[in-house]
Amino acid sequence: GAVVSQHPSWVICKSGTSVKIECRSLDFQATTMFWYRQFPKQSLMLMATSNEGSKATYEQGVEKDKFLINHASLTLSTLTVTSAHPEDSSFYICSASKGNTEAFFGQGTRLTVV
Amino acid sequence: GQNIDQPTEMTATEGAIVQINCTYQTSGFNGLFWYQQHAGEAPTFLSYNVLDGLEEKGRFSSFLSRSKGYSYLLLKELQMKDSASYLCAPEGSGAGSYQLTFGKGTKLSVIP
Repeated sequence: GAVVSQHPSWVICKSGTSVKIECRSLDFQATTMFWYRQFPKQSLMLMATSNEGSKATYEQGVEKDKFLINHASLTLSTLTVTSAHPEDSSFYICSASKGNTEAFFGQGTRLTVV
Repeated sequence: GQNIDQPTEMTATEGAIVQINCTYQTSGFNGLFWYQQHAGEAPTFLSYNVLDGLEEKGRFSSFLSRSKGYSYLLLKELQMKDSASYLCAPEGSGAGSYQLTFGKGTKLSVIP
């Protein structure tokens, strides 16, 4: 149990376009989902926390208009990187929690903006 | 692909020492992270090992053997607040790309 699926695993897009990343909890209802980004050899950086049905809470320094997060159902959250630029190239990973329990990670999405 | 194995659960007594093992197989290797995660919260960075050997940081130490695909997290003088999940995350690399993969985590329960 507790499987989190993230899609796509990798994506290449042109500068200026938008990319949507999906995070699904396959066998449980995720009341809370976390979105992170990670650069090579650096620690995870929490971008935002989203609770089902409410607006995401963004960490300081993360542009909410650039990184759109939607958590419309208990099994799906999406992160849309709008008007992507090469500096947005990174590894994005989500995790999903049932509530006051540990969170489970997706496989991650490697975004390359060219 | 990535394959990570760590115990699902462990129990230890307050004040004791506990070692959480992690074995991994990755496509390429940059380094290995350990994170602590309390229920309902985002994980907290504990350590990042690149070279073989033991790195000590206060009550927490992390060991890495690249050739064996093995790491462990050592927690000393356990406190009740150390009850959490501990996640092993090797960072793979290759062909100009990289990938961070998390293990399922080891749920540590510290008892009085």
